[in-house]
Amino acid sequence: DQQVKQNSPSLSVQEGRISILNCDYTNSMFDYFLWYKKYPAEGPTFLISISSIKDKNEDGRFTVFLNKSAKHLSLHIVPSQPGDSAVYFCAASAWTSGTYKYIFGTGTRLKVLA
Amino acid sequence: DGGITQSPKYLFRKEGQNVTLSCEQNLNHDAMYWYRQDPGQGLRLIYYSQIVNDFQKGDIAEGYSVSREKKESFPLTVTSAQKNPTAFYLCASIEGGGANVLTFGAGSRLTVL
Repeated sequence: DQQVKQNSPSLSVQEGRISILNCDYTNSMFDYFLWYKKYPAEGPTFLISISSIKDKNEDGRFTVFLNKSAKHLSLHIVPSQPGDSAVYFCAASAWTSGTYKYIFGTGTRLKVLA
Repeated sequence: DGGITQSPKYLFRKEGQNVTLSCEQNLNHDAMYWYRQDPGQGLRLIYYSQIVNDFQKGDIAEGYSVSREKKESFPLTVTSAQKNPTAFYLCASIEGGGANVLTFGAGSRLTVL
């Protein structure tokens, strides 16, 4: 049972345009959401997060939107740059068994074309 | 600089052998996690630990074991009972006290020959 889903395995975008990566979740107990960027054979690096009490968080070129009623979040990258090409994971967390448990989606491979 | 150190970076193992992956953090974080990454399956939680001498199974704990004898260290043993051990293993940690950013190490690539 996949609680966090990224239904698009890959996405190609022209440099300078907007990249939109989507993520859906099923567990209403999730209260904190994160996006990570990952290169092959490296650990994920944190990009941006959002608490369930907010619907938008912005950091430079990156904006995360949260729609709690739809259990959906998205990451917008504007403008997209070739260096943004990587795999992006969304993650959701909830307090369980005395700690925060983090569940990850399967990732979306973004390719920004120069 | 504070961070998470995983070793070895690459490891080869023969079938039937146990192998231990090291994870050390100097961030003074309370909770530590082990994830496994396979192509097309994202990151799956193996084990996690909130405090020293305490740990819980994640979603795919079968064939793995862990210990948490020190706050800084959370080694993962991949036993011969793990049927598909070839994967990229990631250790992570988080500061206690609330929902926060999970910090990852650089990962260890295990290949079973």
